[in-house]
Amino acid sequence: GNSVTQMEGPVTLSEEAFLTINCTYTATGYPSLFWYVQYPGEGLQLLLKATKADDKGSNKGFEATYRKETTSFHLEKGSVQVSDSAVYFCAPPLYNFNKFYFGSGTKLNVKP
Amino acid sequence: DSGVTQTPKHLITATGQRVTLRCSPRSGDLSVYWYQQSLDQGLQFLIQYYNGEERAKGNILERFSAQQFPDLHSELNLSSLELGDSALYFCASSSGTAGNTIYFGEGSWLTVV
Repeated sequence: GNSVTQMEGPVTLSEEAFLTINCTYTATGYPSLFWYVQYPGEGLQLLLKATKADDKGSNKGFEATYRKETTSFHLEKGSVQVSDSAVYFCAPPLYNFNKFYFGSGTKLNVKP
Repeated sequence: DSGVTQTPKHLITATGQRVTLRCSPRSGDLSVYWYQQSLDQGLQFLIQYYNGEERAKGNILERFSAQQFPDLHSELNLSSLELGDSALYFCASSSGTAGNTIYFGEGSWLTVV
């Protein structure tokens, strides 16, 4: 079935550092891919998504490109802020009502 | 505001008891998902309903059950509660079509004492 592999955390960075969180997937076909973020004490919220191969999703300075040749959807941000400290989840494809599992997420700590 | 409403926000109960968590999906969403998040287990998918019918089952214990009603709201019933059931329970909804975004509620904090 469809699944994702996400890099484990925690990731600790200084403010203004460059961020990459790796995510690779296996799927039937080329479904939409998602990144969700969970800030402390809150529920998950959609950060960005890409609906087809070679699409780039972007939001709040974060970007991820749907690369079918490497089956990857890595999350990047050029300059992180303390307020970006959160847990980031790469979501497996929602495809024909398959079970929608999330990985353990990657915790990001940004220090001032 | 995601449009997904969960009640109660916080709940404290004793071991052996039974509780019901309620979820109202976003307007127009037919699919409801339940997740359990605890410190040591991460985010665990429990169960999914679509338009009143169970569609997918994850790591849901036999002591837990859920249903989705004709008005599309859903309830998660947790019985014979144990200390280990203490967790944050999320409800999420989507239109149910492939590739559609899932929207999460703010969660219900359950503490079993």
